[in-house]
Amino acid sequence: DAGITQSPRHKVTETGTPVTLRCHQTENHRYMYWYRQDPGHGLRLIHYSYGVKDTDKGEVSDGYSVSRSKTEDFLLTLESATSSQTSVYFCAISESWAENYGYTFGSGTRLTVV
Amino acid sequence: KQEVTQIPAALSVPEGENLVLNCSFTDSAIYNLQWFRQDPGKGLTSLLLIQSSQREQTSGRLNASLDKSSGRSTLYIAASQPGDSATYLCAVRGDKIIFGKGTRLHILP
Repeated sequence: DAGITQSPRHKVTETGTPVTLRCHQTENHRYMYWYRQDPGHGLRLIHYSYGVKDTDKGEVSDGYSVSRSKTEDFLLTLESATSSQTSVYFCAISESWAENYGYTFGSGTRLTVV
Repeated sequence: KQEVTQIPAALSVPEGENLVLNCSFTDSAIYNLQWFRQDPGKGLTSLLLIQSSQREQTSGRLNASLDKSSGRSTLYIAASQPGDSATYLCAVRGDKIIFGKGTRLHILP
């Protein structure tokens, strides 16, 4: 997707190892989000950021941490990966909270924890 | 707590038919509602955004309506094509953004 890139696109990792996923945007948008998507649960918010160094928890934040040291980068870290964190992870950005602004999503990272 | 429901979960229709996808929400205090399309193994593509002050938005063969008082939005697809096959999700933004679980649409050639 134009303006937002997720890396890696696919990753297989072992239980107990740390994993970091990266979201990079070139749109200079203030808001950035991390979601996970699982069958039967839909999209669930993990963490979000409303500015550099300003982050907050979403509904499924346990086991995850985030950092945003630059406007363009939002990192999601699984400190010690578990099989329950096998999922597809999406990053999204939004320019404003105003009603005429919506979301733009990245292409996702498929993470498998074995 | 806002809840967003999309019914049906799956839908198959013959090519060329007009169809309506539904999205209902429980809390009418929203800023906007956004419809997305997701192809298998891909990310979400934004289709239409309806602000809380608007009643509908149109883009090509797509028309989305919003009725806050009844907690409903519909996505109308005219003259469906096999390329429209995908999962369609709605997202409601109030103090949080809540997604429906989507309707998986299959257009039969």
